[in-house]
Amino acid sequence: GAGVSQSPRYKVAKRGQDVALRCDPISGHVSLFWYQQALGQGPEFLTYFQNEAQLDKSGLPSDRFFAERPEGSVSTLKIQRTQQEDSAVYLCASTLSGGLVSGYTFGSGTRLTVV
Amino acid sequence: QQQVKQSPQSLIVQKGGISIINCAYENTAFDYFPWYQQFPGKGPALLIAIRPDVSEKKEGRFTISFNKSAKQFSLHIMDSQPGDSATYFCAASKETSGSRLTFGEGTQLTVNP
Repeated sequence: GAGVSQSPRYKVAKRGQDVALRCDPISGHVSLFWYQQALGQGPEFLTYFQNEAQLDKSGLPSDRFFAERPEGSVSTLKIQRTQQEDSAVYLCASTLSGGLVSGYTFGSGTRLTVV
Repeated sequence: QQQVKQSPQSLIVQKGGISIINCAYENTAFDYFPWYQQFPGKGPALLIAIRPDVSEKKEGRFTISFNKSAKQFSLHIMDSQPGDSATYFCAASKETSGSRLTFGEGTQLTVNP
């Protein structure tokens, strides 16, 4: 596709519910990143994939957060037993090679609200 | 620990004026400093970026000034337009494969007509 596509755009979850957020990167982009953006804050790094390999997951805030990219293209961020503090916009970004020369291309994000 | 500090939090300028946003970083290993522009409901989009081997980079109305010794960099928007109204984020990274970006807190810019 022309850009990074994320779905759903909005998700309301009851506290304790599991959610799955999807990211379709730009075709051919090797690297994929997930960021969490709380209201009024800058994005914070969650995890990074190069193809199907998850090379850095040091930003995941707890073991309730899990990400996968099994075929090296589409990625899913899963949050188990959601808590109110998980409410945020979850941004996905991809790059052609993993380096920053060309910059990230971000999707429009999924806004998660936990009630 | 906030590794990139950004100010001001919000900024209002008149059309045609100069908008200035400042950032300071702590990690001397950072070697890539981009600025991102974000409109409501959209993801951040790369605006301009600089590496520490130059002190200034200009692209159209946007200029980054970089002070390596002070560990500070700033974005200047010349001839600000209402369409520039958005949230601006500075960021920093060490440019290796898979390098994460560390973002500032953001500046909400409003340009009045």
